[in-house]
Amino acid sequence: NAGVTQTPKFRILKIGQSMTLQCAQDMNHNYMYWYRQDPGMGLKLIYYSVGAGITDKGEVPNGYNVSRSTTEDFPLRLELAAPSQTSVYFCASSFQGLGTGELFFGEGSRLTVL
Amino acid sequence: KQEVTQIPAALSVPEGENLVLNCSFTDSAIYNLQWFRQDPGKGLTSLLLIQSSQREQTSGRLNASLDKSSGRSTLYIAASQPGDSATYLCATSQTSGSRLTFGEGTQLTVNP
Repeated sequence: NAGVTQTPKFRILKIGQSMTLQCAQDMNHNYMYWYRQDPGMGLKLIYYSVGAGITDKGEVPNGYNVSRSTTEDFPLRLELAAPSQTSVYFCASSFQGLGTGELFFGEGSRLTVL
Repeated sequence: KQEVTQIPAALSVPEGENLVLNCSFTDSAIYNLQWFRQDPGKGLTSLLLIQSSQREQTSGRLNASLDKSSGRSTLYIAASQPGDSATYLCATSQTSGSRLTFGEGTQLTVNP
């Protein structure tokens, strides 16, 4: 009963390095999302996808890229990491569309940029 | 722009107490409102989803109410237990297809 799986759980990057956060779901959901959560703050939407091959920007997309080649996978790419990208990143999926249905979250990926 | 506020930021209660968590939003024209639970180091778990046409939703010891005209929702937890200790977040969506706006959460501690 995997649900939404994120890897890695923890990562430390140096300024300017790049990396990809992986996200996979096994619920056959069309809708997938990437959020970031800063300490004491609510979640902010980075990017989302309404199906394979279709992605769109959220509130805070700068410095990130995504792709959606399959229904199951939705990786988040960080290019030229900056200290402002230190955060906890959550991937989520839903059966219904953006803002309409129940969200299922992964356990998060904690990223520190030094 | 919608703003969602949760006060207090932290709450500590003795086991067995009934408690209420508050969520306020500035734009009353919402599509739905959701309550989530977040355990330390974990992702969010959806607790209750209230559509704009509904007044409340119940799940076990949890009851969420919605008053759109006053821009408020409450999450009532009956007979609290130490296992209820977590951060509770609320989020609204303005229309079908719009992104969620999250509050900052209330960190609840239930003491044995």
